[in-house]
Amino acid sequence: QVQLQQSGPGLVKPSETLSLSCTVSGDSIGASYWSWVRQPPGKGLEWIGYLFYSTATTYSPSFRGRATISADTSKNRFFLNLTSVTAADTAIYYCARDRDTGLDPWGQGTLVTVSS
Amino acid sequence: DIQMTQSPSTLSASVGDRVSITCRASQSIGDWMAWYQHKPGKAPKLLIYRASTLQSGVPSRFSGVGSGTDFTLTISSLQPDDFATYYCQRYTSFSRTFGQGTKVEI
Repeated sequence: QVQLQQSGPGLVKPSETLSLSCTVSGDSIGASYWSWVRQPPGKGLEWIGYLFYSTATTYSPSFRGRATISADTSKNRFFLNLTSVTAADTAIYYCARDRDTGLDPWGQGTLVTVSS
Repeated sequence: DIQMTQSPSTLSASVGDRVSITCRASQSIGDWMAWYQHKPGKAPKLLIYRASTLQSGVPSRFSGVGSGTDFTLTISSLQPDDFATYYCQRYTSFSRTFGQGTKVEI
């Protein structure tokens, strides 16, 4: 059974970098695509980008230039860094396995608040 | 970028009702469409992929149809556990986009 466990700080200061990690069990990072998705308060789901084959990435135009997704294959873990955050980046962030059968499973979600 | 237009944004219904949610893509996406159910405090749950294939473990009252630009999710007989927000998502090459969401409420 594939499981994704997220970790990272719940509070980030404006202009700083948001950093989250997602540890995968039951599958190999190098064998699938892995996405990050977020949900701002009161709004819908937004796709941020994905990592595939451990090193290649694709990003939503809305996040290109600010988001970086990377991986540590030795720990079977992947990461999201989002730079220069503002209050508009306050959201629940999710990681998920991304295949031609949709996004499944998902991590438990991490609420990140941007505030000084 | 391909845009997804989902409707309605809110749907009021009762237990036992048949409800349908539509999603339109700004250009053809073949059958690269998925549907998710999302409840507060939980991760989204995959219901349907490739437009019409039911994810394992999902009740058969959920169904999906469509190809090209027009897609529909139908719940044949709404159950109490189905009150949630539903999202479509296209997942074509090198990009994914969610619809705006449909909140199904009593």
